[in-house]
Amino acid sequence: GAGVSQSPSNKVTEKGKDVELRCDPISGHTALYWYRQSLGQGLEFLIYFQGNSAPDKSGLPSDRFSAERTGGSVSTLTIQRTQQEDSAVYLCASSLGLGGDGYTFGSGTRLTVV
Amino acid sequence: EDQVTQSPEALRLQEGESSSLNCSYTVSGLRGLFWYRQDPGKGPEFLFTLYSAGEEKEKERLKATLTKKESFLHITAPKPEDSATYLCAAHGSGNTGKLIFGQGTTLQVKP
Repeated sequence: GAGVSQSPSNKVTEKGKDVELRCDPISGHTALYWYRQSLGQGLEFLIYFQGNSAPDKSGLPSDRFSAERTGGSVSTLTIQRTQQEDSAVYLCASSLGLGGDGYTFGSGTRLTVV
Repeated sequence: EDQVTQSPEALRLQEGESSSLNCSYTVSGLRGLFWYRQDPGKGPEFLFTLYSAGEEKEKERLKATLTKKESFLHITAPKPEDSATYLCAAHGSGNTGKLIFGQGTTLQVKP
């Protein structure tokens, strides 16, 4: 597609439920990133996929968070047993290679845990 | 630990009133310093990349500069449409492809 597409754009869930957030990167982009942006905070790195290499999961805050990327394209971020502190905007970005000037961000999924 | 700090957190300017945003960084082996613009409800939009101290880049009313410890985003004669949050991010040698972001500066330009 023309840009990075994220769905849903908004998600309200009850504490303790599982949620899945989806990211469709730009076609041909080999790198895909997930970041989290909490109110008044900067972007927090979560996970990074590059081609067929093992993902860099160093930013995942707990084992309730996981992500996969199928066929080198679409990615799903899963949060199990959601907590109120998980409320944030989850941003996905893709790029042709490493480095920030190739990043194209999606508009994000705003997650609210009630 | 790699860190990026932006100041001020918020800035209000009158249209035409020039100013600068600051980004201080502590990153091992800086590979790039990036500036993004973020409008409400949208993802960040790329503005500039700076790679070495002394480098400068310009785009319309914006100019970004880089030293060994900080970067500045200079805004000359801003217009209301320049109102947004400006994010600074650093790419270090040990960070693979990930960027370390500052908390951003929210700029409001009043007509």
